[in-house]
Amino acid sequence: DVKVTQSSRYLVKRTGEKVFLECVQDMDHENMFWYRQDPGLGLRLIYFSYDVKMKEKGDIPEGYSVSREKKERFSLILESASTNQTSMYLCASSLQRRSRGYTFGSGTRLTVV
Amino acid sequence: GIQVEQSPPDLILQEGANSTLRCNFSDSVNNLQWFHQNPWGQLINLFYIPSGTKQNGRLSATTVATERYSLLYISSSQTTDSGVYFCAVTGEANNLFFGTGTRLTVIP
Repeated sequence: DVKVTQSSRYLVKRTGEKVFLECVQDMDHENMFWYRQDPGLGLRLIYFSYDVKMKEKGDIPEGYSVSREKKERFSLILESASTNQTSMYLCASSLQRRSRGYTFGSGTRLTVV
Repeated sequence: GIQVEQSPPDLILQEGANSTLRCNFSDSVNNLQWFHQNPWGQLINLFYIPSGTKQNGRLSATTVATERYSLLYISSSQTTDSGVYFCAVTGEANNLFFGTGTRLTVIP
């Protein structure tokens, strides 16, 4: 089974801190995605990547950046964390661009105080 | 992006009852998936169903692409079915657009 691992289950950070959320997948998938999940809003796409060193903005990229230096790792960066970025962050990967199969990590619950 | 609406937002069932969850979407789609998020936050793909009907045990799903909706049926519900069910669609850009989910609680 494909495994998508997110480095932290819970994080508490202070306003203004630089925050790194790490995601690693172990099945050589081309595509990786970062979503945030908020009550009543479902999952919203922040950034995605179809290849190493490639990134594209999703629906809500403001305040975030990403890095994909290796195929298996996709990092989400909050340059200066703010309280409105308190949320559950979910990473996903899929094999091909039109893949039917998305595999999600278990999520990182980030609280910014 | 594509708008995805799910109903009902919340559902409470007695164990053994049946239920139907609905997903409406605003544009033609290449792909539709149903996911279950368990109480620990893990999202599991249930069905890939851009059209037609599929069954997997007590779960089945039907998508009528021409009318832009999909239904997820849960029969003989169990407490382990509790969680949030998401519908997600893919349009031209191949990104998944999620609905806001249906929170299901099955009580013994």
